[in-house]
Amino acid sequence: DTEVTQTPKHLVMGMTNKKSLKCEQHMGHRAMYWYKQKAKKPPELMFVYSYEKLSINESVPSRFSPECPNSSLLNLHLHALQPEDSALYLCASSQEWAGSSQPQHFGDGTRLSIL
Amino acid sequence: AQKITQTQPGMFVQEKEAVTLDCTYDTSDQSYGLFWYKQPSSGEMIFLIYQGSYDEQNATEGRYSLNFQKARKSANLVISASQLGDSAMYFCAMREPNSGNTPLVFGKGTRLSVIA
Repeated sequence: DTEVTQTPKHLVMGMTNKKSLKCEQHMGHRAMYWYKQKAKKPPELMFVYSYEKLSINESVPSRFSPECPNSSLLNLHLHALQPEDSALYLCASSQEWAGSSQPQHFGDGTRLSIL
Repeated sequence: AQKITQTQPGMFVQEKEAVTLDCTYDTSDQSYGLFWYKQPSSGEMIFLIYQGSYDEQNATEGRYSLNFQKARKSANLVISASQLGDSAMYFCAMREPNSGNTPLVFGKGTRLSVIA
């Protein structure tokens, strides 16, 4: 069992739908991340939140809208997605201080399919 | 230029044998962290081992050890006594500088298959 919980595990949606991916951690981590992973590729960074503030946005299209309502939760709101957005979406969290040897902890991911 | 290079797309190893997965990295930072993750077909990313750039000893975690050669900028993962459950995708990753809220950059991965 992972300490980062992502829901749902699978999501199928049409291009006109609005849905949200959720991520929750209770390890006291103040840095949280969204990664996108296409099949047979490494994860690619989308967003970083540090102390509930967006610190990195890797030029992600506006149809992806992140939200960090508190230190334990991270959401990714989806709207008007394209078929090429079908992928595994991974959430991760980590301790935020410099020199930390602690790794990023990942959730199990949400497998998203756009019809 | 790639930050993390994993030159082996796929590797096979006999059960109970040791295997080395290669990873080289590119950075001009003095402070960086190197990580290895395992990703089974189910999708979760499992942290295996960490090496900091200032660590003088090679990291070890159970059957996993990291062969860190700083001058060569390599951080190879050694898995001893391979098990069937080790079959998975393995990613080498780096963060620079080595701050906790710095995102990871991943290599392309190596798919390891353990043969009975």
